[in-house]
Amino acid sequence: AQTVTQSQPEMSVQEAETVTLSCTYDTSESDYYLFWYKQPPSRQMILVIRQEAYKQQNATENRFSVNFQKAAKSFSLKISDSQLGDAAMYFCAYKWGSNYKLTFGKGTLLTVNP
Amino acid sequence: SQTIHQWPATLVQPVGSPLSLECTVEGTSNPNLYWYRQAAGRGLQLLFYSVGIGQISSEVPQNLSASRPQDRQFILSSKKLLLSDSGFYLCAWNALPYNEQFFGPGTRLTVL
Repeated sequence: AQTVTQSQPEMSVQEAETVTLSCTYDTSESDYYLFWYKQPPSRQMILVIRQEAYKQQNATENRFSVNFQKAAKSFSLKISDSQLGDAAMYFCAYKWGSNYKLTFGKGTLLTVNP
Repeated sequence: SQTIHQWPATLVQPVGSPLSLECTVEGTSNPNLYWYRQAAGRGLQLLFYSVGIGQISSEVPQNLSASRPQDRQFILSSKKLLLSDSGFYLCAWNALPYNEQFFGPGTRLTVL
């Protein structure tokens, strides 16, 4: 069964600094997708970034980037120039091929200190 | 553009009462639809998903049921609520060519 592990229940970062959130996953599939979602205090789930497993290039969205290590089954999220609005719960998620379902990690709570 | 609506936003219900939560999607056709529950503190638990009208897949045995009476409408129901049904309920959709899921604003349910 596919599993997603986020080993850091909580992280903190100073405003304007950089922070990296970790995610590892277990799969025997070769065609899959990985995502990071952000859940601020409003509890709305917001897609931050997507990575296709067949792409070697790491995805980037403005201040958010990933380090995708397929062989190690690792998918970390780097947030640069952290802002107060980045404070949220961050979830890593996995989806394989034509499967309909996402598998989520348990989340990392990020605090941004002014 | 696509949008997803959920109502009500908050709900307080007594134990044993019925439940109906509604989710509708606009701006897309034939979406896959999903119901998740998030207990206080953490992760998301997939409850049901649907790939078409009348097609429901249940992920965990529980006190809840789901229905999809129209292409872009997904309903979560219960005949008799339990205390353990309290939580935050999220509806989501995805449609080709997207592989990611997009979430609604959620419903906060408290069962007393």
